[in-house]
Amino acid sequence: EIVLTQSPATLSLSPGERATLSCRASQSVSSYLAWYQQRPGQAPRLLIYDASKRATGIPGRFSGSGSGTDFALTINSLEPEDFAVYYCHQRNSWPLTFGGGTKVEIK
Amino acid sequence: EVQLVESGGDLIQPGGSLRLSCAASGFTYNNYAMTWVRQAPGKGLEWVSSIGSAGVSKYYADFVKGQFTISRDNSKNTAYLQMNSLTAEDTAIYYCARGAMSTTMDVWGKGTTVTVSA
Repeated sequence: EIVLTQSPATLSLSPGERATLSCRASQSVSSYLAWYQQRPGQAPRLLIYDASKRATGIPGRFSGSGSGTDFALTINSLEPEDFAVYYCHQRNSWPLTFGGGTKVEIK
Repeated sequence: EVQLVESGGDLIQPGGSLRLSCAASGFTYNNYAMTWVRQAPGKGLEWVSSIGSAGVSKYYADFVKGQFTISRDNSKNTAYLQMNSLTAEDTAIYYCARGAMSTTMDVWGKGTTVTVSA
């Protein structure tokens, strides 16, 4: 099983700042890495797929990078609606797995 | 509009069974694999099971093998998750998502809540 480790667990930032979230895989997932945003009481929403491709309708301030085992999600200039929990997910091999999540909270 | 709507969640006693449904609309359903993901209260996302577009290939997390069964009816654009021998550890919101390994899970339903309690 591929374990995805996200860091930090919590990120405290102010609106307008940049957020950088990390996801490390226990073995290579190639570029089959996605990022999801989950706001309280809502279903996850796909932000980034295949490591760096923005999903339909996702603002340009969200970007993804990395390949193999090390990935990052960057949110430039945080908006109030960006304060949420973010999960990485790999689809390179079964079982599909998710990281434990990073909560981006208002400082 | 592409949409997934889950149903079937309930309060159920330990040892009981439930069948969840996921009704799809707005896309060519039989072109996509479908997946169930769950989220226990206050916890992260956990993959449960996926089924291929034709309903032949099925995959399960180790913790549900033999307990849950995934299926689909392409004539009804609906996926199912039959859950048996439920325990308190199965208490969660169960989400249905379009996609699995061949394509990223890109569309999610709002979820249905399963509570296992005496």
